Amino acid sequence: QVQLQQSGAELVKPGTSVKLSCKASGYTFTSNHMNWIKQTTGQGLEWIGIINPGSGGTSYNVKFKGKATLTVDKSSSTAFMQLSSLTPEDSAVYYCARGREFAYWGQGTLVTVSS
Amino acid sequence: DIVLTQAPLSVSVTPGESASISCRSSKSLLSSKGITSLYWYLQRPGKSPQLLIYQMSNLASGVPDRFSSSGSETDFTLKISKVETEDVGVYYCGHRLEYPFTFGSGTKLEIK
Repeated sequence: QVQLQQSGAELVKPGTSVKLSCKASGYTFTSNHMNWIKQTTGQGLEWIGIINPGSGGTSYNVKFKGKATLTVDKSSSTAFMQLSSLTPEDSAVYYCARGREFAYWGQGTLVTVSS
Repeated sequence: DIVLTQAPLSVSVTPGESASISCRSSKSLLSSKGITSLYWYLQRPGKSPQLLIYQMSNLASGVPDRFSSSGSETDFTLKISKVETEDVGVYYCGHRLEYPFTFGSGTKLEIK
């Protein structure tokens, strides 16, 4: 069965970076795009961007360009998202979700940015 | 960006009754391939969102047929027949027509 296992919660300081992971199993990793989504209480669900694991090609929401960087490691079937220059406004739950339909979601990673 | 407006913000339903949720798009979601790129998701309390409906009216795998969706190019309705307690959560519509993908702000379903 398809599973997306995300990395654990992070408590990070403002101005630093964090790298989140999403390990895929139960399907051919390179056959489906991977999305990343931000969820906050105030802003709801926001699409950050998408990566093609086969080619490494990416598309980003303009709002998150310069903030998020999407990469993959095909050898471990893992997608990554690095968030840089963190501020308290980046505190949120971040999800990975498979394919254009978002048919499968990870369990989410809580990122808290606080000094 | 395409704006999706959901209504109502919340709905309270007696088990066994029906509920309807509306989603209005600021742009036609009909693609050049003739597919209406509107999706519905349910986020149960403390859980990740799950896909309910894809391409406006197709039930996702494992989703009970109490759920149905219909609409035009810009106005859509999710209907839940015979609501059960497991249907509690926040319902989101979303589009996949073009980048950036966007979501509605959500409709919270509660049980009376």
